[in-house]
Amino acid sequence: SAVISQKPSRDICQRGTSLTIQCQVDSQVTMMFWYRQQPGQSLTLIATANQGSEATYESGFVIDKFPISRPNLTFSTLTVSNMSPEDSSIYLCSVDTSTHIPYGYTFGSGTRLTVV
Amino acid sequence: QKEVEQNSGPLSVPEGAIASLNCTYSDRGSQSFFWYRQYSGKSPELIMFIYSNGDKEDGRFTAQLNKASQYVSLLIRDSQPSDSATYLCAVGDSGYALNFGKGTSLLVTP
Repeated sequence: SAVISQKPSRDICQRGTSLTIQCQVDSQVTMMFWYRQQPGQSLTLIATANQGSEATYESGFVIDKFPISRPNLTFSTLTVSNMSPEDSSIYLCSVDTSTHIPYGYTFGSGTRLTVV
Repeated sequence: QKEVEQNSGPLSVPEGAIASLNCTYSDRGSQSFFWYRQYSGKSPELIMFIYSNGDKEDGRFTAQLNKASQYVSLLIRDSQPSDSATYLCAVGDSGYALNFGKGTSLLVTP
């Protein structure tokens, strides 16, 4: 299955600043997904990123707050902008590995963000 | 709104017992169903996927799917303390993001 390298693994940031999270996949994938997992909660989809097109954002998430880049089929970044303590969460990237064996969706190791 | 429902638990079972985790979903057109295990502070790890009605077995794990009832379950036989984690049910289709339930916390007691 695909292997995803996600970094940073954790960070503590001041409110009002921005953090960019990177995900590198060891194979080409069409779809990459960005999720947020708030403390004690399940995963909430932020956006879907396709190479060569604008990311598609879910209700409640906007591009100005969570800009995403997808410059090629193996890499994507998510930026959390103008952070507030409410942005403290784990952020996860995921890829659809349905063309790989075993079938499934693989996750990066996550970025634990604390905003102070 | 596509809903995936799970009992949050915690579900407590003694070591060696069978743990039964359940999940219902609202989108009748869903085709793919996944169970992920998530240890505290870690990212979700895929443990089972199932597409067809019936049972699918992999080692100590059995996934069961009933599309007519929109119901998915995961059985863990011979539960071990190392199985203690949160189990996430996810529903979706290839090429689209998965829709996750809130997860069921499982505690296997020695």
